[in-house]
Amino acid sequence: EAGVAQSPRYKIIEKRQSVAFWCNPISGHATLYWYQQILGQGPKLLIQFQNNGVVDDSQLPKDRFSAERLKGVDSTLKIQPAKLEDSAVYLCASSLDPGRQGEQYFGPGTRLTVT
Amino acid sequence: DAKTTQPPSMDCAEGRAANLPCNHSTISGNEYVYWYRQIHSQGPQYIIHGLKNNETNEMASLIITEDRKSSTLILPHATLRDTAVYYCIVRAGGFKTIFGAGTRLFVKA
Repeated sequence: EAGVAQSPRYKIIEKRQSVAFWCNPISGHATLYWYQQILGQGPKLLIQFQNNGVVDDSQLPKDRFSAERLKGVDSTLKIQPAKLEDSAVYLCASSLDPGRQGEQYFGPGTRLTVT
Repeated sequence: DAKTTQPPSMDCAEGRAANLPCNHSTISGNEYVYWYRQIHSQGPQYIIHGLKNNETNEMASLIITEDRKSSTLILPHATLRDTAVYYCIVRAGGFKTIFGAGTRLFVKA
């Protein structure tokens, strides 16, 4: 089966610019996650969707970050305006059902550099 | 905060077993132990998970102590491609996955 797809793989922007990342989860996976991974740290959950509804966005900086999952499939994560500290890898993951024991499947990530 | 404690790094000789420890002394009765690994420049990859019993799959074995306060991930015959960061996570179904810093495993020829 096809894995989680993300694009772009790399992005370089200047601070105060905006940027968007796209994720296509594994077919049939109801749950989609966005993580932020700063160099040397483990991934940190930003937002979790169940179908097209938000389950957890407690760690999403809502003044600058937004995410949507229209039609319960693809998702986009946007940063506007970007800050230097947003430089990180943004990972998308999906799972069949978070209420079960099910594992998460991760995409390759988008490496963002803010200059 | 992550509920697990792992050594920051470990070495292993190629072909030998790699034993990665994890302490989770505050684990609750409904929480599972999960292991993921992250190879350089890739997203994390699920390895294995368990509740009480030891588990084995094609990638690894998971040994959980009887009191469930610690566990060990075993890669039976480590190869250079097993060099990665290994994350031990405790999580109940329906709750979010919290990653710590993990253990950086170096497999040496």
